[in-house]
Amino acid sequence: DTGVSQDPRHKITKRGQNVTFRCDPISEHNRLYWYRQTLGQGPEFLTYFQNEAQLEKSRLLSDRFSAERPKGSFSTLEIQRTEQGDSAMYLCASSLARGREAFFGQGTRLTVV
Amino acid sequence: ELKVEQNPLFLSMQEGKNYTIYCNYSTTSDRLYWYRQDPGKSLESLFVLLSNGAVKQEGRLMASLDTKARLSTLHITAAVHDLSATYFCAVGEDSNYQLIWGAGTKLIIKP
Repeated sequence: DTGVSQDPRHKITKRGQNVTFRCDPISEHNRLYWYRQTLGQGPEFLTYFQNEAQLEKSRLLSDRFSAERPKGSFSTLEIQRTEQGDSAMYLCASSLARGREAFFGQGTRLTVV
Repeated sequence: ELKVEQNPLFLSMQEGKNYTIYCNYSTTSDRLYWYRQDPGKSLESLFVLLSNGAVKQEGRLMASLDTKARLSTLHITAAVHDLSATYFCAVGEDSNYQLIWGAGTKLIIKP
């Protein structure tokens, strides 16, 4: 297993378009997290899955954001009607259990123009 | 609401010196993490601290946790250039799954 994989690595989109990102976690990890990071800041939590169940979602997250993990393996994060403020690095992480380290993917850098 | 504060936010130091990065948090927590991030790269796990008095060491880095003071420290011993990076602490709330992250400490180690 090569770790957490994210696709695409970079995405440039026009304002108002929809985008979807994919995350493939480490295969035996049942916990999956999405974070967003802007330049010079720490990651900001977006959502958490345990297997296929979305157990937590940030209160600050707009309704334009939705995430799925249909079979408890890979996950997708969709942003509808993108805005310039959505420009950021979107990070996916997976872990085995609470209190265990989370392994991060390389991220998807989104630029909204 | 859990808040996490790191200091300093920026640190420039000479090789061979020792220094400490501090991470304070505002409410009870059952887990604290330290991560490293190189420019343009993702996050690399350094330490997981789960209990009061926990101390972990890897090479020139040592992390400790005082849950009563709600404080964790990351100590760098005899710094070398390769340790230049941004270091984040992340704290988990007891009642949920998310981690709240500090703003990061950008560490530059000069030869």
